[in-house]
Formats: sequence, C-alpha cells, structure tokens
Amino acid sequence: GIQVEQSPPDLILQEGANSTLRCNFSDSVNNLQWFHQNPWGQLINLFYIPSGTKQNGRLSATTVATERYSLLYISSSQTTDSGVYFCAVETLINDYKLSFGAGTTVTVRA
Amino acid sequence: EPEVTQTPSHQVTQMGQEVILRCVPISNHLYFYWYRQILGQKVEFLVSFYNNEISEKSEIFDDQFSVERPDGSNFTLKIRSTKLEDSAMYFCASTKEIGYGYTFGSGTRLTVV
Repeated sequence: GIQVEQSPPDLILQEGANSTLRCNFSDSVNNLQWFHQNPWGQLINLFYIPSGTKQNGRLSATTVATERYSLLYISSSQTTDSGVYFCAVETLINDYKLSFGAGTTVTVRA
Repeated sequence: EPEVTQTPSHQVTQMGQEVILRCVPISNHLYFYWYRQILGQKVEFLVSFYNNEISEKSEIFDDQFSVERPDGSNFTLKIRSTKLEDSAMYFCASTKEIGYGYTFGSGTRLTVV
C-alpha cells in the first residue's frame, strides 16, 4: 500500500512562531486531507487538498501532487494549535480509503 | 455543516462482552468506514462499506468484528467478544464518492477492562 511519511515527528513552538509540517507520499493520489487531533481525541478536518494551495485563517496548505508532497503552514501559532496533525491520502488505483501518516505532535508554549 | 454523529462518546466494557458502536453518516453519502486509533498510535483503517456490503477490510478486522447498516441512517460496528487490546478510539467516516473529502465523526473511546 501507499507510504505516508510526516515530518518532523515532534515540534515545539513558542507562541507567535510560524512552522511548516511536511507530508510525503509514495504514489499518485486523488485525495489528501490534513487533520488536527485535539486533546479530546477528535479529528478535525483542516483541508481537503489533493493539489494546489488553500488558506483558512492562520493555516494554509500546499500540495504538489507531481512531486508527491504536501505542506501545512501554521502562522502566528497559538496554544490552541497544540495537538497532533495528521496527513491522510487516498490513491488513484484500487485504494478507496484514506491512509494516515504517523502524525506530527505540535506543542505551542505560551 | 453536515456532521457524522457517533454514539456513545465513551464506553467501558468488560473483557469478553459484546459492544456495538453506532454512527449516523451524512445523509447523502454512499461510502462508510470504520477506523481505529490505539492510544499514541496512528489512525488505522478497519473496514469500508458500500451498497450494503463490505468493500474492503484490513487484517485487523477479523471474525470478532462485523458491520451493519440496519436502516437508512445508522451504520454500526460490533465487536463480539472484546479483548483488552481492542481498547482504542474508533472513528466512523463517510464520503459522497471516491476522491471526495471524507468526514469523520468525533469518535468513540472504547475501554476494555
């Protein structure tokens, strides 16, 4: 199956700092989503972004499908941004499900 | 915005007991899924369901697990005889069509004691 690698595994930020999370994947995809898992365990969908760039407030994401990676940008981080960020992909051929990466754990300190 | 609803949010059960986790997918979605996340680990695919039958299942989804869509709105995951290692967060998800975005429920935290 498809391999999804996220980096870095852990990230510690000071409040107000900017950061970039990366997701590499091993095959062509027709779907890519970024999720934030909050302290209660809920998966919050951030972006549906199989290609291109999207922005939502302080968060933005870019997927370069031809080079098989996606980036999630957090600007002016806040303590509420803490949690685990997951990238998940669905491939083009016979793989009608999302495969998740191992996640990046982000800790934002006041 | 439409939501996927899961109940209960937290369930504690004794080892060997049967549990049923319930989900109400988004009404016009056609593909339904269960995922599992053991504490501290990544989210793993369990099973997909389309047109009233299982489309795909993972190695985790053994004979102890079953899924059902008993009516037009509910989608359930049954674990027949729970084991300690079944303790995890279980997520239900649905999508309108392949390649469309997936919507996840808030999860059911299952604790087997």
